[in-house]
Amino acid sequence: RKEVEQDPGPFNVPEGATVAFNCTYSNSASQSFFWYRQDCRKEPKLLMSVYSSGNEDGRFTAQLNRASQYISLLIRDSKLSDSATYLCVVRGPGANNLFFGTGTRLTVIP
Amino acid sequence: EAGVTQFPSHSVIEKGQTVTLRCDPISGHDNLYWYRRVMGKEIKFLLHFVKESKQDESGMPNNRFLAERTGGTYSTLKVQPAELEDSGVYFCASSQAIGSVYEQYFGPGTRLTVT
Repeated sequence: RKEVEQDPGPFNVPEGATVAFNCTYSNSASQSFFWYRQDCRKEPKLLMSVYSSGNEDGRFTAQLNRASQYISLLIRDSKLSDSATYLCVVRGPGANNLFFGTGTRLTVIP
Repeated sequence: EAGVTQFPSHSVIEKGQTVTLRCDPISGHDNLYWYRRVMGKEIKFLLHFVKESKQDESGMPNNRFLAERTGGTYSTLKVQPAELEDSGVYFCASSQAIGSVYEQYFGPGTRLTVT
């Protein structure tokens, strides 16, 4: 079983739309949760950390449900520049390495 | 501030040959990680250095892979002999310290193709 499961998409949405990505993780003792963004043939870059209380950064909102082992990312008012692959990432217990989902591909259409 | 750099950006080798990948972390980052993404799969952890010491090498696939970080600065990852299934993108990352508050910064990756 994979550590992190994500819907690979692709998601094709018009500019201005709201889109949500979800992922689940298998280890209930996981400590830290993140969303990374990866542009085509580039390195992953941290988009935002995900906190238990939920957190927002501009148009981006992340939620964590520990009971369901579920993480979400909501993007409001999508921009063309939001087109990328969004990676759900979890740091396991007692470890510093990261576990990645396969990523969800988003394309924002003019 | 310079980011994580990796060399080469691409490498094409034949099965059975040896390849050495290099990673230069962000200056002052004691923690260095290697990850790999094979086609169609997720990015997977290979190993973690703290300065020159291997903290965790649980993700190394087999003994054909050898990572070093002499002097605690740059790191190399050698694959010898390379097999077809080693093809993929090898990412290096570094962080100032460990813990969730310390972001891991990734390099652009080395795309390895074994033919």
